[in-house]
Amino acid sequence: GNSVTQMEGPVTLSEEAFLTINCTYTATGYPSLFWYVQYPGEGLQLLLKATKADDKGSNKGFEATYRKETTSFHLEKGSVQVSDSAVYFCALSDLNTGNQFYFGTGTSLTVIP
Amino acid sequence: DAGVTQSPTHLIKTRGQQVTLRCSPKSGHDTVSWYQQALGQGPQFIFQYYEEEERQRGNFPDRFSGHQFPNYSSELNVNALLLGDSALYLCASSPLELRETQYFGPGTRLLVL
Repeated sequence: GNSVTQMEGPVTLSEEAFLTINCTYTATGYPSLFWYVQYPGEGLQLLLKATKADDKGSNKGFEATYRKETTSFHLEKGSVQVSDSAVYFCALSDLNTGNQFYFGTGTSLTVIP
Repeated sequence: DAGVTQSPTHLIKTRGQQVTLRCSPKSGHDTVSWYQQALGQGPQFIFQYYEEEERQRGNFPDRFSGHQFPNYSSELNVNALLLGDSALYLCASSPLELRETQYFGPGTRLLVL
């Protein structure tokens, strides 16, 4: 079946530090991969996506590369800001299951000045 | 262009009652999916509607039902509420030709006492 495993948090970093949040997946087909961000009290916002192997998704300084050989989609940012404090969710969508989304449990990030 | 909207924002019910949550998709989107997000967890897929029919369903009991209207808006109904139904309920929409990417509403926070 399909599933997503995310690095457990919470993660606390100083401003301008390097961020990595690990995500690995299991899928029966050829999924699309996503990172969503959830700010306190809000719904999920699409951060970036990649639809096939070796694709790199990027947005607002965040990047993630779809690695089929390691079934991974790790999120990275070179220099985090206080405003990046939020919960980050890795997710996959598989055409074989009608593009139903499977989410990881989320990783809480707090950036301190 | 309005994004996905949901109503109400918060709701308090007691065990055994019934609840109806509402969702209006983003303009141009004809597919609506519903998710349940328990505190500290990732969203769990409930079901997906397009062309006014339920197309995919996650592992949720029949107490959870839905409807989609000709204008693509949707309702989620939950009968015989349990304490464990307390969660954030998220609606997501996508265009049929790009169902792999979903846009989420802010959610409805349901508390069952």
